Amino acid sequence: DTGVSQDPRHKITKRGQNVTFRCDPISEHNRLYWYRQTLGQGPEFLTYFQNEAQLEKSRLLSDRFSAERPKGSFSTLEIQRTEQGDSAMYLCASSFAGIAGNTIYFGEGSWLTVV
Amino acid sequence: AQKITQTQPGMFVQEKEAVTLDCTYDTSDPSYGLFWYKQPSSGEMIFLIYQGSYDQQNATEGRYSLNFQKARKSANLVISASQLGDSAMYFCAMRDGSGGSYIPTFGRGTSLIVHP
Repeated sequence: DTGVSQDPRHKITKRGQNVTFRCDPISEHNRLYWYRQTLGQGPEFLTYFQNEAQLEKSRLLSDRFSAERPKGSFSTLEIQRTEQGDSAMYLCASSFAGIAGNTIYFGEGSWLTVV
Repeated sequence: AQKITQTQPGMFVQEKEAVTLDCTYDTSDPSYGLFWYKQPSSGEMIFLIYQGSYDQQNATEGRYSLNFQKARKSANLVISASQLGDSAMYFCAMRDGSGGSYIPTFGRGTSLIVHP
């Protein structure tokens, strides 16, 4: 399977704990995106990388959130001191280059439940 | 300002019939791309179809076609011969050059239920 993969698929954590999600993009893709999706909403942009550079962050990405893509391949999204409002699905996506026509492909998502 | 608007929270269609899911968008960038994704209850976002702003013809992919009306800023998805497996959330998305970043923006989605 050469699609976008995310791990873990499901995570239940206690409020205040830290969690980390991993995303492995499609191998030839140089852009990697993180989105968050809550019930009844479309995906909301969090941040994206071009190669290893983090080029943009949404205001949704509070200082408790940090994302990395150290070698321009896989990426991690860490949430520190989780809050119940962080419960959502975290979607990773990848694409090639930056022109409008390049399709972004999503992984299966990582469901986070904060109790 | 909302870039993508999907006004139908839910749609019902009978199996084997066609259905149209509405999407309007807002951009001042002449170069943009429009996408439709399907999200079953399992959660994964499945790419369905793409339309570029300079494409002269409407995009088609199997049973999916995109009714692109540029002047009206409309990009409706048409699903022909609906199947039970088409029951899912459908999201319209746009990527333009606003701010130079080409970050895709999504609508709130339309829930489609196909009944026998």
